[in-house]
Amino acid sequence: NAGVTQTPKFQVLKTGQSMTLQCAQDMNHNSMYWYRQDPGMGLRLIYYSASEGTTDKGEVPNGYNVSRLNKREFSLRLESAAPSQTSVYFCASSSTNEKLFFGSGTQLSVL
Amino acid sequence: GENVEQHPSTLSVQEGDSAVIKCTYSDSASNYFPWYKQELGKRPQLIIDIRSNVGEKKDQRIAVTLNKTAKHFSLHITETQPEDSAVYFCAASITSWGKLQFGAGTQVVVTP
Repeated sequence: NAGVTQTPKFQVLKTGQSMTLQCAQDMNHNSMYWYRQDPGMGLRLIYYSASEGTTDKGEVPNGYNVSRLNKREFSLRLESAAPSQTSVYFCASSSTNEKLFFGSGTQLSVL
Repeated sequence: GENVEQHPSTLSVQEGDSAVIKCTYSDSASNYFPWYKQELGKRPQLIIDIRSNVGEKKDQRIAVTLNKTAKHFSLHITETQPEDSAVYFCAASITSWGKLQFGAGTQVVVTP
């Protein structure tokens, strides 16, 4: 039982490049989330998917897009990376009891 | 939307002493209040949570209290140990499926 799996673990991009962060969960959870973590700012919600087929903006959605590919997978895309998107990104999933299970994180640097 | 403030930002305690972290929330409709612990370089993990129909919850050395009237909740860690050193995040939710608003985090350092 792997839980929530994120790839890649580390990534360095140049300004303007694009990339997709992948996330998959094997706990049959309906809801999935993407958070970013910056020093002194806690975890801020980028996008979420309450159930398969739906996605909604969170607190900081600008510069990102998401795709809920199926119940297991939820990807985050940066179309044109900016230095302000340098951060640690966490995917998470939950069932109806609200407990979040986080992936191991992706450390992204945009130069 | 919901706003969660967390204090202090850093907390240094001697091993064996107690640690208290406080959070306030803005939306009186919030009904779910979890606490997450994040060790250095690791993912956040849920350590305890409380719902709005309960005033206090304990799990071994950790406890959470909730004051709905004042809109604040607190994490209490007793008999602290070096392995309690981590960043702790409070959060609040007003939905039934966990769209959480997190506090900024508290770095707890337990010194032997």
